[in-house]
Amino acid sequence: DVKVTQSSRYLVKRTGEKVFLECVQDMDHENMFWYRQDPGLGLRLIYFSYDVKMKEKGDIPEGYSVSREKKERFSLILESASTNQTSMYLCATRGGSGELFFGEGSRLTVL
Amino acid sequence: GNSVTQMEGPVTLSEEAFLTINCTYTATGYPSLFWYVQYPGEGLQLLLKATKADDKGSNKGFEATYRKETTSFHLEKGSVQVSDSAVYFCALSVTDSWGKLQFGAGTQVVVTP
Repeated sequence: DVKVTQSSRYLVKRTGEKVFLECVQDMDHENMFWYRQDPGLGLRLIYFSYDVKMKEKGDIPEGYSVSREKKERFSLILESASTNQTSMYLCATRGGSGELFFGEGSRLTVL
Repeated sequence: GNSVTQMEGPVTLSEEAFLTINCTYTATGYPSLFWYVQYPGEGLQLLLKATKADDKGSNKGFEATYRKETTSFHLEKGSVQVSDSAVYFCALSVTDSWGKLQFGAGTQVVVTP
């Protein structure tokens, strides 16, 4: 089974803090994604990566950056957290048939 | 651009009732279509998929048929259980999009005993 592990299930941070969300996959998948999930808005793509050190902006990249130094690890960075970044963050990898495999999510609250 | 529209929830049903969740899409090219399910406190899981017109995806008693003429991919289940209570997301993926999925807003389903 594909396993996508997100390092923190729940985080509480203060406005202006730098926040790191980590995601690790064990299936050697090329493509990895970060989405945020908000009620009534579904999932929106923040960034994705198709190879080590390669990244592309998604639909809502503002206020975020990413890092992919190793194939199995894809990190989402909030340089200066703001209250409107309070959300559920979901990491995913892409399997061979096009489907995405998701982690359990990281619920971030910014006070 | 690409978009997915699904019916708003919550949808509240009694156990053993018939469930339909409508999903329509707009896409350039020939998308693959997916239904994902999210149980409380968990990430999304793939429920079923269809990759071309007239394909029927099925899993765990759920079915959806890829209808190109109506640009729809409605999810159905003949007899729901309390354990089917979850949020259901319709999504599409277009070729050469790096596998990105475009999601609908999600539909919450609540099944009561």
